[in-house]
Amino acid sequence: KAGVTQTPRYLIKTRGQQVTLSCSPISGHRSVSWYQQTPGQGLQFLFEYFSETQRNKGNFPGRFSGRQFSNSRSEMNVSTLELGDSALYLCASSTGQGVSISSEQYFGPGTRLTVT
Amino acid sequence: GENVEQHPSTLSVQEGDSAVIKCTYSDSASNYFPWYKQELGKGPQLIIDIRSNVGEKKDQRIAVTLNKTAKHFSLHITETQPEDSAVYFCAARPISGYSTLTFGKGTMLLVSP
Repeated sequence: KAGVTQTPRYLIKTRGQQVTLSCSPISGHRSVSWYQQTPGQGLQFLFEYFSETQRNKGNFPGRFSGRQFSNSRSEMNVSTLELGDSALYLCASSTGQGVSISSEQYFGPGTRLTVT
Repeated sequence: GENVEQHPSTLSVQEGDSAVIKCTYSDSASNYFPWYKQELGKGPQLIIDIRSNVGEKKDQRIAVTLNKTAKHFSLHITETQPEDSAVYFCAARPISGYSTLTFGKGTMLLVSP
């Protein structure tokens, strides 16, 4: 099976712009989670989508949003970019089944966003 | 919410030695604990995981132990090799967190030949 793919791999934007990142999960996986990784804060959870519905959200401002399509592909959008948004954005896919039973999460290579 | 502490932040060992990385978690309801390895320029790779109904799990040179009472879990790598050099992250998932993982800050492991 192909792994999790993310596009683009690298992005350079200026403050105030917006950006859209894309994630294609492993075939058959219905859950996509997004994480922000920075040297100072480590890996922080942004949100999770399952069957086109956001079912969990981390503690990030409303400038960060996402969506999931019927084929499970997901996009995340960041509006009004700030310097502090520079980070590696990772998505992870899983089968997402169940509440009390955890399914393994597999990460993509990430999108490196630089805001200048 | 869940909080995961990871130690040490850096670990240097000689090839062939063992390496141990420790994590503690705060939410006693957490029930799933994966470990990830991240190499430079790549996304985290799941290397082993353990669920709360198991005390220990092994996969070749790596093993994970879980102490639910003390709320800590550890990664053990035996016979380390230079290719084990990477950043390792522990994580915990609360029972009500769907697919949400809370990560430790990471341990940079350097294995010298």
